[in-house]
Amino acid sequence: SYELSQPLSAAVALGQTATITCEGENIGSKNVHWYQQKPDQAPVLVIYRDVNRPSGIPERFSGSNSGNTATLTISRAQAGDEADYYCHVWDTTSSVVFGGGTKLTVL
Amino acid sequence: EVKLVESGGTLVQPGGSLTLSCVASGFTFTTYTIHWLRQAPGKGLQYVSGINTSGGTTVFADSVRGRFTISRDNSKNMVSLQMDSLKTEDTAVYYCARGTRSLVVVGHFDSWGRGNLVTVSS
Repeated sequence: SYELSQPLSAAVALGQTATITCEGENIGSKNVHWYQQKPDQAPVLVIYRDVNRPSGIPERFSGSNSGNTATLTISRAQAGDEADYYCHVWDTTSSVVFGGGTKLTVL
Repeated sequence: EVKLVESGGTLVQPGGSLTLSCVASGFTFTTYTIHWLRQAPGKGLQYVSGINTSGGTTVFADSVRGRFTISRDNSKNMVSLQMDSLKTEDTAVYYCARGTRSLVVVGHFDSWGRGNLVTVSS
């Protein structure tokens, strides 16, 4: 079955750039989507199909995907960006697959 | 405004049954797939099931296939998740989410409900 691997945690200084990775075999050939989930709230889509931002998501959020790694980048990090972040792909054999999630702390 | 509202979550005994409902508003319901996802306490997101626009095609995660049934009533903008033979490991917050227009390849989920807690315990 297809698996996605994310670091359990990441930290970024206020105003700096955070990067969260999502690793999977040949993930560059798949569409990767990213969700932000704050405590006791539903997930929110922040990036879809690798690089696209839904309406209402700040330009500070961006994505990339190549080889075996997809990356979510958050520029000029704010306190309100503290959350869990999940990557998601669709695989022909495993169907919908989520990464385990990364807890982002803004210092 | 796109809105999805889940209901029906409660405490149920192992082996029991429960039906969750999701009522949608703010968009043309018949042109989107609808999905259920869940999150066990303190855990990550897990896909449960999805249904296409007409209700004629469904998909299930291996962990629930044969126990859960999904259906939709386009006249009521509603999707239901019938859960049978519930296990303690089904305990989770269940989210209803809007997908893309096709179930052939399940794309992103761009709108989510607030979630509904299902607790399976004796």
